Amino acid sequence: GQSLEQPSEVTAVEGAIVQINCTYQTSGFYGLSWYQQHDGGAPTFLSYNGLDGLEETGRFSSFLSRSDSYGYLLLQELQMKDSASYFCAVRDPSSGTYKYIFGTGTRLKVLA
Amino acid sequence: NAGVMQNPRHLVRRRGQEARLRCSPMKGHSHVYWYRQLPEEGLKFMVYLQKENIIDESGMPKERFSAEFPKEGPSILRIQQVVRGDSAAYFCASSQGHSNTGELFFGEGSRLTVL
Repeated sequence: GQSLEQPSEVTAVEGAIVQINCTYQTSGFYGLSWYQQHDGGAPTFLSYNGLDGLEETGRFSSFLSRSDSYGYLLLQELQMKDSASYFCAVRDPSSGTYKYIFGTGTRLKVLA
Repeated sequence: NAGVMQNPRHLVRRRGQEARLRCSPMKGHSHVYWYRQLPEEGLKFMVYLQKENIIDESGMPKERFSAEFPKEGPSILRIQQVVRGDSAAYFCASSQGHSNTGELFFGEGSRLTVL
């Protein structure tokens, strides 16, 4: 099976940079995704890393190191609207069905 | 192009009643996933379906819960004889297939409250 661990909460101030880590234990690996979820809302896709390295999308970047079973989401120039929960996710090949498994989630609080 | 549509958005049931949650995937998507989320917690996988087939139901309780995705119409998550512990948000997500970008498209969720 798979398990993904994230810090439960991170706090930062407007304009700062914050990194949200995700470590995973898998019996196979098909890439790491990140999702954002505001309170009461639907999760929305942010980024995907299929290979090692950094992927940049505007203020958000995501990094993957397959040898370390580790990835992170980097948020720059934080804004109040970035206050949300962030989830990493992988596809689970161990069952043969490749279902998507989500991490425990990190609640980001952005302070003025 | 409509996104993933879930209904009802809110549902209140008394213990012992049945709850039916519906999910219409994005147009062209044939893969549907159901997840359950308790307040302040993560997304717990329940079931993965393709049209007319259950691919993986390993996250779904063996009793009282069932899911289907018929050839025509929405996917249905059915909870029989609900108990208070079933109170949660239930999210549906869809994809076109085995997405190469790891992207699932989520609905707004159905929030079940059991009295």
